[in-house]
Amino acid sequence: ILNVEQSPQSLHVQEGDSTNFTCSFPSSNFYALHWYRWETAKSPEALFVMTLNGDEKKKGRISATLNTKEGYSYLYIKGSQPEDSATYLCAFIRGNKLVFGAGTILRVKS
Amino acid sequence: GAVVSQHPSWVICKSGTSVKIECRSLDFQATTMFWYRQFPKQSLMLMATSNEGSKATYEQGVEKDKFLINHASLTLSTLTVTSAHPEDSSFYICSASRSTGGAYEQYFGPGTRLTVT
Repeated sequence: ILNVEQSPQSLHVQEGDSTNFTCSFPSSNFYALHWYRWETAKSPEALFVMTLNGDEKKKGRISATLNTKEGYSYLYIKGSQPEDSATYLCAFIRGNKLVFGAGTILRVKS
Repeated sequence: GAVVSQHPSWVICKSGTSVKIECRSLDFQATTMFWYRQFPKQSLMLMATSNEGSKATYEQGVEKDKFLINHASLTLSTLTVTSAHPEDSSFYICSASRSTGGAYEQYFGPGTRLTVT
């Protein structure tokens, strides 16, 4: 894999469902992986910066894991709420730049 | 803290005209600013990196004479799309970092939707 791939492209869940999505990235020369949450008409908001293989980070109902050897990260949302509706972006650092995936669009229906 | 604003949030212009987009760091000094572009259903693509007081570094394939970037102060960078054409219609978003280089820590503006008719 040369760039960042995110799956699924979009996801519709019911309020209360737990969900997860994947970010795949090149496993060589890994430095750091970022997760952002991007609501419509707002600025992307940093969720996590992950640097170590096996890292697991948590912020409220959202958590993320990192596997640098195989080049993937999972983002989990437990008990989704309508306010979790957003696009979730991941990005890894290549050289001195952030390389982004196309994002996963999450819609939570109440 | 670490708020970045962009102005305008959307703009419509006629083909052949120029459009300026401003990116401001409101509560910190931004040594480095980045400009990205996003086409529908695609990822944010870095266009250029600018450090205060020096010329911007453009990514391969980005025309520097078409997309003029000025980072004149530690709180303001501007992107001017010169002689805009319909294919320049896109979503433009900036980010700012406190540190030189600054890929590790970037704070984003809300973006500008440009439509060229």
